[in-house]
Formats: sequence, structure tokens, C-alpha cells
Amino acid sequence: DTEVTQTPKHLVMGMTNKKSLKCEQHMGHRAMYWYKQKAKKPPELMFVYSYEKLSINESVPSRFSPECPNSSLLNLHLHALQPEDSALYLCASSQDTRQGYGYTFGSGTRLTVV
Amino acid sequence: GQNIDQPTEMTATEGAIVQINCTYQTSGFNGLFWYQQHAGEAPTFLSYNVLDGLEEKGRFSSFLSRSKGYSYLLLKELQMKDSASYLCASPSGSARQLTFGSGTQLTVLP
Repeated sequence: DTEVTQTPKHLVMGMTNKKSLKCEQHMGHRAMYWYKQKAKKPPELMFVYSYEKLSINESVPSRFSPECPNSSLLNLHLHALQPEDSALYLCASSQDTRQGYGYTFGSGTRLTVV
Repeated sequence: GQNIDQPTEMTATEGAIVQINCTYQTSGFNGLFWYQQHAGEAPTFLSYNVLDGLEEKGRFSSFLSRSKGYSYLLLKELQMKDSASYLCASPSGSARQLTFGSGTQLTVLP
């Protein structure tokens, strides 16, 4: 298995809702990443997990809460989002954070906040 | 992190060859990725260069010069479906997180 699987593919949520994005990989990668991408912009890093521990939080608002239950799973919990949070959310994994290769992106979750 | 520069837009004709350039800071270099991204979709891996030289993969080739901090993506026999954004990216920082260039929007005209 050489894929990163993200669910759901599309999500519409209200500003008072709580929802979660899920990401799964079975490549034995020990680094996992969340990126946010707005239209016509490159992906921007949000969080990095290394060996299931949060290693980087790029000053992301607390309405985004990441979780790494085990080495294969990465969640992003969403609560009280704003319309400007609407974007493509990308999960990625790599072998580990000491090396630069093996980066694999999931297909993304298209999030719309209404 | 890296500063990565690439042109914002390029236009080419179907069947032609196009070269998309990318420059980056040479300090702390950990390789260079090229991704293709169609509108509304996730980036698709095209190539990863860590050593100098040209790597060919079908119609797409990628070149790296570490001493010059320079890479290019070469697309041959352009097809309409090649119209997309092409992202140059390099792992950097404490977690080797990818830093992206702004992306080059390629439009292939008939």
C-alpha cells in the first residue's frame, strides 16, 4: 500500500458544528503532516507529527485540533470554524522527519464552512 | 526554511516543449520535488532530485544543479491535459516539512 487515504473527500459544515478529518497510511511512515491550501496558492504547513508526537504547530488557531492516535492515523478536529477556513486540507506522510524523501500526499478534503 | 522562486504563469502550445524553472536557497538542501496539481485536486508527485543531473520519466524530465540552486521541469509533447499548476518544493526545517514555491500555472493552447 503506497497511498495516503483521506476522508471525507468533501465536507460542508456550519460555524457551530464539530467535525473531524481523517488521514490514514500503511507505509510505515513515521512523519505525518497537515497542510491547508487556498485557491491558487501553494499548500501551507499547519502541523507536523513525528513518531506520534506533535513536533510543529505553525501558530494554527485552536479551532483546529490535531490528533495522532497511532503511527498510521492522523486526525484534524474542527470546531467553531469561520468561512475563511474553507480550503483544501491535505494530509501527507514521509518516512521520517530526518530525511527528505518519500513524501506522499493524500487526495485532500475540500472543506466549505457556511 | 527555503525561499523558492518559480514563474507564476506560462503558456505553451500543444505538442511543444516547455521548461519551468525553479531557484532555491542552497543552504540546508534536502532534495527538490516537483508536483503537478490540477484545479481542486491534490498535488501529484512528478519527481524528486537530490543529485545533480537530469532524470527522465516519460514526457517529463527534471534537472538539478545543487551548486547553482537551480532546477527545472521539462515537459515534452505537451497535451491539453498538462494544463495545471506545477509546484516546486523542498524539505527544510526541523521536521523536513515541504516548503513550496508559489506554483507555475501552465496553460496549454491548441
